[in-house]
Amino acid sequence: QLQLQESGPGLVKPSETLSLTCTVSGGSISSSSHFWGWIRQPPGKGLEWIGSIFYGGHTYYNESLKSRVTLSVDTFNNHFSLNLRSVAAADTAVYHCARHHVGYVSGSYRLYFLDNWGPGTVVAVSS
Amino acid sequence: DIVMTQSPDSLAVSLGERATINCKSSQSLLYSSNHKNYLAWYQRKAGQPPKLLIYWASTRESGVPDRFSGSGSGTDFTLTISSLQAEDVAVYYCQQYYGSPPITFGQGTRLEIK
Repeated sequence: QLQLQESGPGLVKPSETLSLTCTVSGGSISSSSHFWGWIRQPPGKGLEWIGSIFYGGHTYYNESLKSRVTLSVDTFNNHFSLNLRSVAAADTAVYHCARHHVGYVSGSYRLYFLDNWGPGTVVAVSS
Repeated sequence: DIVMTQSPDSLAVSLGERATINCKSSQSLLYSSNHKNYLAWYQRKAGQPPKLLIYWASTRESGVPDRFSGSGSGTDFTLTISSLQAEDVAVYYCQQYYGSPPITFGQGTRLEIK
């Protein structure tokens, strides 16, 4: 059974970099049918997609966060990671990793629905 | 980006009664070449991650009870729980993937027991 687990610091200082890792177990991250994504939910707000990555390294980012986000993948250790630079209080949220189903249409990938989610990790931005 | 709007924001339904949650998209989610609606529904219980219930607007995920059903096409969609159970108390989200990337979610609908 596929499981995802987020890990990383629960507290980050303003202007610093938030770094999280998602470890995948019970299945391979090197799947040609899936991307691996990050989604967050700030307190009292809705779900926001951050970005997603393919095992080969292809990435898609939310335009609103693109200038601050980098995703990476480690197929040997079966995990993928999120770096969010220059954080502020508005980045305080529960961060989830998840698996995307994808399609390949007209030469590009389309991100579909998310069928497996990690439990989430709370990250607070505060000095 | 496609904006997803759910209604109502919250509702209370008696046990055994029908619960209906609506989701409206700012543009059609129906892909003409395959006649599929690019919409999913999730259930989020307190302290848990979202759980996929429905995709392609009406396909139930494996293991999801058949009291959950999805319907609609184009810009208007509905999640129906035919007979509410206590364990269905949760926040429900719709998500579009027609315009992906990005994918976008509705703001959520909180379902409680009356």
